[in-house]
Parts: sequence; C-alpha cells; structure tokens
Amino acid sequence: DTGVSQNPRHKITKRGQNVTFRCDPISEHNRLYWYRQTLGQGPEFLTYFQNEAQLEKSRLLSDRFSAERPKGSFSTLEIQRTEQGDSAMYLCASSFGGIGYTFGSGTRLTVV
Amino acid sequence: AQKITQTQPGMFVQEKEAVTLDCTYDTSDPSYGLFWYKQPSSGEMIFLIYQGSYDQQNATEGRYSLNFQKARKSANLVISASQLGDSAMYFCAMRDQGAQKLVFGQGTRLTINP
Repeated sequence: DTGVSQNPRHKITKRGQNVTFRCDPISEHNRLYWYRQTLGQGPEFLTYFQNEAQLEKSRLLSDRFSAERPKGSFSTLEIQRTEQGDSAMYLCASSFGGIGYTFGSGTRLTVV
Repeated sequence: AQKITQTQPGMFVQEKEAVTLDCTYDTSDPSYGLFWYKQPSSGEMIFLIYQGSYDQQNATEGRYSLNFQKARKSANLVISASQLGDSAMYFCAMRDQGAQKLVFGQGTRLTINP
C-alpha cells in the first residue's frame, strides 16, 4: 500500500492550454474522487467513480473538464482551454466501499 | 443541503496545551458521518478521526478526540498535549448516509508556539 499518488505535483500552464492530471489510487480501492481546493477554502467535490463508472459529477465540473477511469484503476482529469480561475489544488482520494477516504498530495495548477 | 461551518480562521496555542477546534454542521439526513482532516503545507489531507451520527460514544484516536454534541449539531476536535508538528490547516467534513461526497468546512489554521 503506497498511498494515493498524484502527478504532476505542480503544473504551470498558459491560459488556453489543455492540462491533464493523473491519480493512482490505492490498488484495492474501488472508489475514486476528485476535489478542487482554492486558496483559503476547503476542498470541493468534483466527481466520483466506482470502478470505471463515473457516477456523480458536480456542477463545478464545467464542459471544459473531463475525468476518466478507463480500467477502474488510475484516473485522469483533463481541463481544456484553461482559465485563470482554474488555478487551484486538485486533490484525488480513494476508498473501499466509501469508508476511510485516503487523499493524495494533490496537483497544484497555476494558470498564467 | 449539507453545510459545515468552522468559525475560527486561525488559532494560536502554546506547545503542550490542549486545543479545541470548532465545527458545526447542518443536514436533514438523520444518518451521517463526520470527519476531521489535517492538511500540512505539503498539501496532503491526513485523516484524523471519524464520528458516526448513531455512535453512542465520542470518537477518540490517540491525542485526538471528537466532542460530538448531536443536539447542538457540533463536532469539535480536541487535540491534547499539542506538539509543534500539529501546526497545519484542519478541516471538518461530513457525508450523508448514501452520499459519496464529503462536504468540507473552510478550515482552521492551527499554529503551535514553542
């Protein structure tokens, strides 16, 4: 059990570019979650997968955001045409059966 | 709708003292869970303690205890014998039964002074 791994740790991108983040959950965890945390705020829920199925999406997840978990293992979160308001920490978490969430260290995105 | 309120933006405590971080919540679901997480500057959310709404006793985990007052809808975190390494952001969160997402408060920045 190596914990939840997120890559990259930091990403600086120019406005309008596309970015993709990766999350590798704990191997036996069937549920995976993405959260966004802006400066000075608590994390906000974005989306949730059970195995490979995306079962819930927040209204925060605009059309420019897409998340996948193709084989029920790792997940990717893509942001297209980034805007300065997308600058935030993107946190991934996993759990087994919705109990005992384990978070990764996050990917900090800066859009310039 | 679920809501978590943490009214203390910052707390300053002397090392070895006990500290209480406040959390109030609102939900219409009779079954829910309450969580506390620690977030150091590295960014990782570290799970500290969990309290179920039907648990009869207050949860404890080492130096952490949760003062659960259901009628007042409060779930305060108590850290005993604070240490310098306790300096971090602390978030209270909740999840309704059957829901998957955690709803977080705005957090409290705790600073332990030597």
